[in-house]
Amino acid sequence: DAGITQSPRHKVTETGTPVTLRCHQTENHRYMYWYRQDPGHGLRLIHYSYGVKDTDKGEVSDGYSVSRSKTEDFLLTLESATSSQTSVYFCAISGSQAYTEAFFGQGTRLTVV
Amino acid sequence: AQKVTQAQTEISVVEKEDVTLDCVYETRDTTYYLFWYKQPPSGELVFLIRRNSFDEQNEISGRYSWNFQKSTSSFNFTITASQVVDSAVYFCALSEARGGSEKLVFGKGTKLTVNP
Repeated sequence: DAGITQSPRHKVTETGTPVTLRCHQTENHRYMYWYRQDPGHGLRLIHYSYGVKDTDKGEVSDGYSVSRSKTEDFLLTLESATSSQTSVYFCAISGSQAYTEAFFGQGTRLTVV
Repeated sequence: AQKVTQAQTEISVVEKEDVTLDCVYETRDTTYYLFWYKQPPSGELVFLIRRNSFDEQNEISGRYSWNFQKSTSSFNFTITASQVVDSAVYFCALSEARGGSEKLVFGKGTKLTVNP
């Protein structure tokens, strides 16, 4: 199994509070991604990173920011959580050689109350 | 824009039946990759297959087979002699072949229930 660890695995937070989710990899892969999964929507890309300090927006980036200060860590921050951000969040990684499969973490279930 | 459509929201079969999950995609790219992932009730995403747009050969892996047809923009997945352990949500996904990243556009998934 690819070495991807997401933390926390579960979190309940209140509306308006900041939340940071962490994705840690041990594969030294160049690319890292954050997706959210919602019923009826499948998975949708929030942000991705193509290197240290290099990030870009995905399909549903509003309300989220990311940072990547080290190859192994990719942080997703909800600056002010809203109930619409209640979701399951998946981190994924893929290698720098062209077109390898994306490996997914176990997911983080976030509930905003 | 890229799009993946899985028209079947839920399918229910009896064990040992064959079942086909449909996937239709849209892209303007001539080079792209197609994927299938399985999400069992435990929630993790399990990679099943990755196929590039230049390889239209059908693929078989045990009870699983995939039919890729560029002419109809479809990448269908068939499970032969289904088993209860096949019960899961199955996602079809598409990625553009640019720059080396693997940004995926997912369909909404098909929930397969295999009853004993």
